Amino acid sequence: AQSVTQPDIHITVSEGASLELRCNYSYGATPYLFWYVQSPGQGLQLLLKYFSGDTLVQGIKGFEAEFKRSQSSFNLRKPSVHWSDAAEYFCAVGGMDSSYKLIFGSGTRLLVRP
Amino acid sequence: GAGVSQSPSNKVTEKGKDVELRCDPISGHTALYWYRQSLGQGLEFLIYFQGNSAPDKSGLPSDRFSAERTGGSVSTLTIQRTQQEDSAVYLCASSLGVGELFFGEGSRLTVL
Repeated sequence: AQSVTQPDIHITVSEGASLELRCNYSYGATPYLFWYVQSPGQGLQLLLKYFSGDTLVQGIKGFEAEFKRSQSSFNLRKPSVHWSDAAEYFCAVGGMDSSYKLIFGSGTRLLVRP
Repeated sequence: GAGVSQSPSNKVTEKGKDVELRCDPISGHTALYWYRQSLGQGLEFLIYFQGNSAPDKSGLPSDRFSAERTGGSVSTLTIQRTQQEDSAVYLCASSLGVGELFFGEGSRLTVL
């Protein structure tokens, strides 16, 4: 079955600290993986995506994510968090086997301490 | 249009009434999705249209929910006999099949 787990509901980090948001997926074939961000009062925006090739992908706003097939994970990272990164982050999985239907995780809310 | 357009942006209705939510996707996008986002919850998949294929309705929570997509473009999500637990933000997204989803601003539904 196609599913995504984001085990952390909330994460609080200090501005300037590093960040890692966890995402584990279940998918029978080669997954397409995505991270989206939803800032307060705004719509969802794509941060980055993985289809194939290099397992470390770079996205916008200084974010990156690493696909680890052996761990069924696609964790999102940022070396130095800015106050404007406070938002909700969603991981999503899809692929050819499911006609590219995207299923999202329940999200992780990031709070940034000044 | 320039982006995904949803209407109404806000809808307040009484329990038991029917509501229709509209989504106008980006021109040329073959895939259209409906998701539901309840307060403090993630994005719950509802239904997925891809080209001329039969829609994937596996996420619809009950037979009170239905959706159609006319002419491969505009989509309407209908909720019959609304219940208070239907209160949520209903998000529509479109894409070119594989790749980035473009989301609308959502329709906030409140059932009294």
